[in-house]
Amino acid sequence: GEQVEQLPSILRVQEGSSASINCTYENSASNYFPWYKQEPGENPKLIIDIRSNMERKQTQGLIVLLDKKAKRFSLHITDTQPGDSAMYFCAGNSAGNKLTFGIGTRVLVRP
Amino acid sequence: NAGVIQTPRHKVTGKGQEATLWCEPISGHSAVFWYRQTIVQGLEFLTYFRNQAPIDDSGMPKERFSAQMPNQSHSTLKIQSTQPQDSAVYLCASSLARGGTYEQYFGPGTRLTVL
Repeated sequence: GEQVEQLPSILRVQEGSSASINCTYENSASNYFPWYKQEPGENPKLIIDIRSNMERKQTQGLIVLLDKKAKRFSLHITDTQPGDSAMYFCAGNSAGNKLTFGIGTRVLVRP
Repeated sequence: NAGVIQTPRHKVTGKGQEATLWCEPISGHSAVFWYRQTIVQGLEFLTYFRNQAPIDDSGMPKERFSAQMPNQSHSTLKIQSTQPQDSAVYLCASSLARGGTYEQYFGPGTRLTVL
């Protein structure tokens, strides 16, 4: 299978706290896991990604973790700000490099 | 770097009419992907070209949908006899794709509304 499950669908957090989104995948051959942020009326923008030769990657307040055994990866937004409010999509690649996306998580950061 | 360019940004068609959507990938990118986004289904893969050759069209509805990439600077997605269920945002993405898996960058999308 090529499904990517993403939870939660909605995440409400207080400004300054952290937000975590979890995804699981089925395809054992997947080796590339990007995360996209999409604001209303805009296209999805790549914010961070991780490849299967890594377990952890961090950039500008974002941390991604990958557990290949469990086929699970996650995005952690540290010190959330109102500008972090958006839809977030996880994805995994499959044959031919096409991406299979999770259903998305709406993150709402309360001031 | 202008990013991925998609035209038109919005298109309204009547049921049964044809719609052609255009995509210009980032200069130097050799892979072009088409996805469709709806509230219900989310982001769905449609088709993929590498060096202008069709690689994978497993996500394309078998009837009415077709895609081409006649040259390295543009790709088209054509929907014949559009139906209301074709209403969606159609997103094009491009990638370097030189023998590995590279980041995909999305264009602004074309919002198709079929009345």
